[in-house]
Amino acid sequence: EAQVTQNPRYLITVTGKKLTVTCSQNMNHEYMSWYRQDPGLGLRQIYYSMNVEVTDKGDVPEGYKVSRKEKRNFPLILESPSPNQTSLYFCASSYFQGSGGYTFGSGTRLTVV
Amino acid sequence: SQQGEEDPQALSIQEGENATMNCSYKTSINNLQWYRQNSGRGLVHLILIRSNEREKHSGRLRVTLDTSKKSSSLLITASRAADTASYFCATDEGGFKTIFGAGTRLFVKA
Repeated sequence: EAQVTQNPRYLITVTGKKLTVTCSQNMNHEYMSWYRQDPGLGLRQIYYSMNVEVTDKGDVPEGYKVSRKEKRNFPLILESPSPNQTSLYFCASSYFQGSGGYTFGSGTRLTVV
Repeated sequence: SQQGEEDPQALSIQEGENATMNCSYKTSINNLQWYRQNSGRGLVHLILIRSNEREKHSGRLRVTLDTSKKSSSLLITASRAADTASYFCATDEGGFKTIFGAGTRLFVKA
């Protein structure tokens, strides 16, 4: 089944403890992206990647890192999480940016206390 | 910044009625997409309309695009309780970003 898989689905962590949210797609998509969703703000793009080893900042990149060493994986790294990063995170992919709609993962609900 | 802005923010209708949601954007776009999200779950792509298209249909969905007004509308005909969800528009700018609006929450009463 074609899908984007995010892990974990839920995560509660403490301020300053490094964490990684994984994202993997099995559709050979070149474009991958991370979004965060907060009430009343819609989805805001954190980082995106056009292809392997090519990443760039979205609208809200502060406090996040990404890497794209393989085509299928695009992990989101929070080096020192803070409470304002409590949010619902989504990974999405497509053949290329604007190619015909994104496939989204099921989301990761992160709480930083 | 949010490019796509949906209107209304919330919409409540009876089953069988039509639901219309609007989206406005600010800059030139390559295409505009509509997505659906059931509570807290991932977004599901519904339909994409390119900048050189004016109208597109998919099942009970009809999307229009007016590039002169920088606006789009999504019409769901003969709505069902299962259509209850949030609907988002998203625009692809000339660069490599896709920008989502804040969404319209649709509630269809059985």
